[in-house]
Amino acid sequence: DQQVKQNSPSLSVQEGRISILNCDYTNSMFDYFLWYKKYPAEGPTFLISISSIKDKNEDGRFTVFLNKSAKHLSLHIVPSQPGDSAVYFCAAYKASGTYKYIFGTGTRLKVLA
Amino acid sequence: DVKVTQSSRYLVKRTGEKVFLECVQDMDHENMFWYRQDPGLGLRLIYFSYDVKMKEKGDIPEGYSVSREKKERFSLILESASTNQTSMYLCASSPDSLNGYTFGSGTRLTVV
Repeated sequence: DQQVKQNSPSLSVQEGRISILNCDYTNSMFDYFLWYKKYPAEGPTFLISISSIKDKNEDGRFTVFLNKSAKHLSLHIVPSQPGDSAVYFCAAYKASGTYKYIFGTGTRLKVLA
Repeated sequence: DVKVTQSSRYLVKRTGEKVFLECVQDMDHENMFWYRQDPGLGLRLIYFSYDVKMKEKGDIPEGYSVSREKKERFSLILESASTNQTSMYLCASSPDSLNGYTFGSGTRLTVV
């Protein structure tokens, strides 16, 4: 039972354009969401997060949007750069639960120069 | 910067062997986690620990056990390695839930 889903296993985008990575979840009790980026042979690194009381959070080129009614979040990268090429994981968490995050299956982003 | 160190980057073990994967963090974090990463399945939680000698099963604990004798060290044990345990294993630590995890670089384990 996959509670957090990333339905696009891969995405290719031209340098300078917008990258949009999507994530859907099924558990309405999740109240905190995160995005992680992973390069090959490295551990994932934290990118950006959003609380369920917000619908948008920005950090430089990265913006996360949350649509609670649709149980959907997205990560926008503008402008995309070749160094953004990596696997992106979304994760969700229940603040009232234990400390574990539930991760999605990942989307491999390739930014073409 | 928080550092999470996994002792081995690559390991090759034989079926039936007992395998120890070690993870050490240097920032006095309460919480530590073991995940495995497999293509198409994302990151799946094996076990986690929120205090010394405390452990809880994650989503896929079968075939694994853990040990946390000291706060900084969290070990994953494959009691009898099998080929379906070939995977990338990732350790993470966190001071609390809201600050995100810090991951180690991972151990790629191959069981032959």
